[in-house]
Amino acid sequence: GQQVMQIPQYQHVQEGEDFTTYCNSSTTLSNIQWYKQRPGGHPVFLIQLVKSGEVKKQKRLTFQFGEAKKNSSLHITATQTTDVGTYFCAGGNQFYFGTGTSLTVIP
Amino acid sequence: EADIYQTPRYLVIGTGKKITLECSQTMGHDKMYWYQQDPGMELHLIHYSYGVNSTEKGDLSSESTVSRIRTEHFPLTLESARPSHTSQYLCASSGIPGTRYNEQFFGPGTRLTVL
Repeated sequence: GQQVMQIPQYQHVQEGEDFTTYCNSSTTLSNIQWYKQRPGGHPVFLIQLVKSGEVKKQKRLTFQFGEAKKNSSLHITATQTTDVGTYFCAGGNQFYFGTGTSLTVIP
Repeated sequence: EADIYQTPRYLVIGTGKKITLECSQTMGHDKMYWYQQDPGMELHLIHYSYGVNSTEKGDLSSESTVSRIRTEHFPLTLESARPSHTSQYLCASSGIPGTRYNEQFFGPGTRLTVL
């Protein structure tokens, strides 16, 4: 099946530092979605990217879709404790989620 | 808030028992999914459905079955529970018919413990 890998698996940052997670696919993706899962919660949709090279922003979050549509990134500027959670990408047909990046923000 | 429900929320059961996890959504979505997720780990697709009378297997489907008799209902059955089935089970739905909108909405999950 489709392979969608994310790096890093875990990331600890001091509050106020930036954070980036990368999503890489073995195949070209028609689109990519990002989700956030708080500890003890369920995944919640953040955004969908469709076009090659697309960049979208949501306040402190910046999402990018690669030119070849095989990779994507999520960048958080000046992290806050409310950013804690695991961030998942989901590629193509959305059936297969990435491995996730767990973010810990140290106050 | 998404209108997708799962019952029970927590279940502790003995080995060998047959169990059914319920999932219902009131959004009219045509696609529904079941995922298994251990704490802090990735989601593994178990089964999915494109619509009524449509079911497909995912990566971890060999020990469970699903049915989709009604659009809003997508139950998951484990014929014989084993300790290796201990995990959280998440149901999701997506896809408003006639649109390209395919964001997945997740239910709160069922946390299953098999003794």
